[in-house]
Amino acid sequence: DVKVTQSSRYLVKRTGEKVFLECVQDMDHENMFWYRQDPGLGLRLIYFSYDVKMKEKGDIPEGYSVSREKKERFSLILESASTNQTSMYLCASSRVDGTKNIQYFGAGTRLSVL
Amino acid sequence: AQKITQTQPGMFVQEKEAVTLDCTYDTSDPSYGLFWYKQPSSGEMIFLIYQGSYDQQNATEGRYSLNFQKARKSANLVISASQLGDSAMYFCAMMWGFQKLVFGTGTRLLVSP
Repeated sequence: DVKVTQSSRYLVKRTGEKVFLECVQDMDHENMFWYRQDPGLGLRLIYFSYDVKMKEKGDIPEGYSVSREKKERFSLILESASTNQTSMYLCASSRVDGTKNIQYFGAGTRLSVL
Repeated sequence: AQKITQTQPGMFVQEKEAVTLDCTYDTSDPSYGLFWYKQPSSGEMIFLIYQGSYDQQNATEGRYSLNFQKARKSANLVISASQLGDSAMYFCAMMWGFQKLVFGTGTRLLVSP
C-alpha cells in the first residue's frame, strides 16, 4: 500500500513565524504535491514537484515555498505565517503508470495561525 | 477552463441501500482522467476509483462503480450496499494536461442504520 506521511496532524503557530510542513512517501513516486483545503473553496494546488530539486507553482503559490532535496520528502514552507494561511494542508504523491496517474494523499495537517 | 461540478451538497441513504453521487465535468481536452476520493472526518483523502477518458468500460472497484457517460460529460459514483463506514465527504476530480488535478466541492454522504 502507498503510504504518504505528514509529520503533524495539528499545528498552532503565531503570526510571523516560519512554519515547516513535512511530507514523506514510501513508494518511490516521482511526483509530489501540496494542496490546501478550505470550506467552500475545495482543494487548491499550492506547489508540486516532478523530480528532486524541481518545483512548479500551482494555483495559489503566494506566501509559500517548497523544498525537495530527496525523492521521498517534500516540504512546504510558510516564510512568515499569516492568519489567512489557517487551513487544512494535504500532501500527495503519484507516479505515471501508463495512462494512469493516481495521486495518493496523506492524512492532512490542520494548521491554525493565531 | 476545466471544471468539476457536484450539485448535491448532502445525501442520505439507509444502510445496505445503493446510492449515486453525481459529478459532471467540463473540458475540451480529449485526454483526461476522472477520480473519486473519500474524505472521512479524520481528514485523510482516500482514493476510490479511476476512469480514463479512453476507457471503453465503466470502472469498478469492489462496491464502487463509476457510471461514465462521456457524451453527457458525467462521471457518477455508485456505492452499492452502503455501510455505516461510508459516511464521509466524497470528491470528484479530473486530471488534465500534466499532473493538474481539479476537484469538485464535494458531497457529504450520511448512512443511517
